[in-house]
Amino acid sequence: AQSVAQPEDQVNVAEGNPLTVKCTYSVSGNPYLFWYVQYPNRGLQFLLKYITGDNLVKGSYGFEAEFNKSQTSFHLKKPSALVSDSALYFCAVRDRRGFKTIFGAGTRLFVKA
Amino acid sequence: DAGVIQSPRHEVTEMGQEVTLRCKPISGHDYLFWYRQTMMRGLELLIYFNNNVPIDDSGMPEDRFSAKMPNASFSTLKIQPSEPRDSAVYFCASSHDRATQPQHFGDGTRLSIL
Repeated sequence: AQSVAQPEDQVNVAEGNPLTVKCTYSVSGNPYLFWYVQYPNRGLQFLLKYITGDNLVKGSYGFEAEFNKSQTSFHLKKPSALVSDSALYFCAVRDRRGFKTIFGAGTRLFVKA
Repeated sequence: DAGVIQSPRHEVTEMGQEVTLRCKPISGHDYLFWYRQTMMRGLELLIYFNNNVPIDDSGMPEDRFSAKMPNASFSTLKIQPSEPRDSAVYFCASSHDRATQPQHFGDGTRLSIL
């Protein structure tokens, strides 16, 4: 069965510093991987995805993520955090044979000015 | 281009009442999903449709929950009778008919059952 783990409930970072939000997954075969962001009182918004090819994926708002097959990880990164990046971040995985997407529990990011 | 539209945004009702949540997906999207989000259980998939046909309803918690998609531009999620433990934020999402495509979420309905 497929699963997603976001080991940190919360990540705190100072504005201007790099940030990393961690995600590991378990799925048979090669996965499709996604990151979403949720702001208060809003739905999830798509940030980026890994389908195939280059392990470093670039997405919206300066975010990027690195796919590591051997470690089954897909960590979200940004070189310089902004206060406006403070939100809830979800990692998601989809089995290539199916269509059901499994979401992680979410990681709350706080960026302090 | 309009996104996924959900109504109402907020619903407060008394236990035992029928609740109907509505969703209009993005035009041209073939898949529609209903999710429930709570602090305790996170984001749970309740049911999803492909071309208006329910494909997997294994996440529907009880027979009190039902969902329909009478046409490509409208879906409902109904709870009858409602209970306080149904209080949550309910999201609708839609996507193209490709597993590589992301889901587009509405802004949800915050449901409170008193």
